[in-house]
Amino acid sequence: AQSVTQLGSHVSVSEGALVLLRCNYSSSVPPYLFWYVQYPNQGLQLLLKYTTGATLVKGINGFEAEFKKSETSFHLTKPSAHMSDAAEYFCAVSDPGNTDKLIFGTGTRLQVFP
Amino acid sequence: NAGVTQTPKFQVLKTGQSMTLQCAQDMNHNSMYWYRQDPGMGLRLIYYSASEGTTDKGEVPNGYNVSRLNKREFSLRLESAAPSQTSVYFCASRLGTRSYTFGSGTRLTVV
Repeated sequence: AQSVTQLGSHVSVSEGALVLLRCNYSSSVPPYLFWYVQYPNQGLQLLLKYTTGATLVKGINGFEAEFKKSETSFHLTKPSAHMSDAAEYFCAVSDPGNTDKLIFGTGTRLQVFP
Repeated sequence: NAGVTQTPKFQVLKTGQSMTLQCAQDMNHNSMYWYRQDPGMGLRLIYYSASEGTTDKGEVPNGYNVSRLNKREFSLRLESAAPSQTSVYFCASRLGTRSYTFGSGTRLTVV
């Protein structure tokens, strides 16, 4: 069965600092991987996704993530945090052979301090 | 605007009452999903429908039923609400292997 682990339920950074949100997955097949962002009282918005091809994926708002098969990881990064990045971030995985289920991690709440 | 529309946005129920959460998408997507979001637990899949006329259980289906009324609409029913069903419910849709599109959620409180 597939699963996703997000290390750290809360991450705090200063404005302008590097953002690193960690995600590790478990899957018996090469997975599709996603990062979603949720602003307060809103739905989920796709930041970026990895399906096949280039392992470094660029998304919206300056975020990027790298698929590392050897480490079963898909960490999300942004070089310089902005106050508007404060939100909850979810990593998710689906099985390309059974694409009807998207399995989410428990989420990481990002706080950005001035 | 194209997307996933959920109604109602907020609802308070008494224990034992029933209600149906509505979801509709206008993107001609085949697959539709219902998730619940609880603090510290992320989103958990309740039911999904891979195509019109089919539905399948997800991770947490107990206490819920669903209906895929047509290609556009996928409803979630609580027959006898319990406080443990207090949550935020999200509907999502998808076409093939493309990304999921989520609705804005229904915040349900059962007292």
